[in-house]
Amino acid sequence: QKEVEQNSGPLSVPEGAIASLNCTYSDRVSQSFFWYRQYSGKSPELIMSIYSNGDKEDGRFTAQLNKASQYVSLLIRDSQPSDSATYLCAAENAGNNRKLIWGLGTSLAVNP
Amino acid sequence: DGGITQSPKYLFRKEGQNVTLSCEQNLNHDAMYWYRQDPGQGLRLIYYSQIVNDFQKGDIAEGYSVSREKKESFPLTVTSAQKNPTAFYLCASKQGDVADTQYFGPGTRLTVL
Repeated sequence: QKEVEQNSGPLSVPEGAIASLNCTYSDRVSQSFFWYRQYSGKSPELIMSIYSNGDKEDGRFTAQLNKASQYVSLLIRDSQPSDSATYLCAAENAGNNRKLIWGLGTSLAVNP
Repeated sequence: DGGITQSPKYLFRKEGQNVTLSCEQNLNHDAMYWYRQDPGQGLRLIYYSQIVNDFQKGDIAEGYSVSREKKESFPLTVTSAQKNPTAFYLCASKQGDVADTQYFGPGTRLTVL
C-alpha cells in the first residue's frame, strides 16, 4: 500500500451539491493531515489541516479524520464552479524529518 | 507583505546548461523544501532544509543541488546531470515544529529547449 492514496478522479458534481474527496493512509505516516487545493498552473494552497479524530469545519469545508479506518476526507458543501481544481491530501512523515507525504491528487469538476 | 517568492516564473534552459531557481521567504520559517511536479503527478521532494547550513536529499535529488546559507533563502540548481528537468518547481517553507503547515511559493516552470 502506498503511504497516502487518493482516487485520481475526475470527480464531477453539479453546482450546489456536496463534493466528497477521500484519502487513505498507511501506518508509516503520523497523525497530522492536510488538504491543499491546486488550480491548474498554480501552486497548492492550504484548505484545512486536521490532527484529531472527528470532524473539523471551516465555512463550506469539513475535514473528517477516522484513525481506526485510516482515512481522511474533505467535504465541500454547496460546491461552486470556482471549486474546480485538484485537491491534494498530505500527511506528515512518522519519523522526525518533518516531511510531508503526498497523494497524487483528485481532480474535481463542478458543473454549472 | 509576508510570503514566499520564487523567480523566475518561467525559465528556459538549453541542453547541458546549469540553471538556478530562486526561493526567498520573509516568514521567518526554519524549514524550506523544493518539490518537482510533472503533469498529472503529485509532488516529489527534491531537497529540504530544517536549519541554516544544513540540508537533506529528498526522493529525487540526483541532478540537483541546493544551499542554505541564509534562513530566508534556499536556491535550487538544476544541473546538466538532470536528464529530464522540464517540470513545475515548487518551493515551500514552514515553521520548524511538527505538524506546522507548509506554505508554497508561486512556482517556476522550467522548460528544456
